[in-house]
Amino acid sequence: RKEVEQDPGPFNVPEGATVAFNCTYSNSASQSFFWYRQDCRKEPKLLMSVYSSGNEDGRFTAQLNRASQYISLLIRDSKLSDSATYLCVVNKGGSQGNLIFGKGTKLSVKP
Amino acid sequence: NAGVTQTPKFQVLKTGQSMTLQCAQDMNHEYMSWYRQDPGMGLRLIHYSVGAGITDQGEVPNGYNVSRSTTEDFPLRLLSAAPSQTSVYFCASSYSGGLGNTQYFGPGTRLTVL
Repeated sequence: RKEVEQDPGPFNVPEGATVAFNCTYSNSASQSFFWYRQDCRKEPKLLMSVYSSGNEDGRFTAQLNRASQYISLLIRDSKLSDSATYLCVVNKGGSQGNLIFGKGTKLSVKP
Repeated sequence: NAGVTQTPKFQVLKTGQSMTLQCAQDMNHEYMSWYRQDPGMGLRLIHYSVGAGITDQGEVPNGYNVSRSTTEDFPLRLLSAAPSQTSVYFCASSYSGGLGNTQYFGPGTRLTVL
């Protein structure tokens, strides 16, 4: 099993659609989870951290299932500006802060 | 605010040449790291530092050296460039190397080795 696995997409959705991305991770000792966003030819930027109880930030909702080692990101009411690659990120394990990045899921929101 | 800066933005090298990629941050972050990003691959950690004077290897350290003489700067040296080192290099920093800290990335250096 790869350390962090994501469907590469692309996900092509119309404006206003709801879209969900999933991610699985292999190390049960991982304790920190994030979604980063990366625009074409730009650096990754933190979208949101993912907490055990699930968390929401505006149109974005992140969920964590530790038992299944699974993370999800839900985007509601998609905007053209949401078009980007979404990176699932987990820490390497235990208390170590080093991060493992998934290859990313590409989202394209069309008018 | 400058955040994390990287120079140069683009670089072309010939096989065997050496060079240093510069990275600086003005946020007084203790933790700094270097990643490379290749098509179809996730970001891979090359080297990292948890504070001035302390460095350690990441997942893909071969062919690269780092040093951390100040909190602000974390240069990455390519000793003898190879075509396999053609990549986009990102430097990142965070408050500490502990759990949950947001990593802030620089704009990247696009390196081509001929």
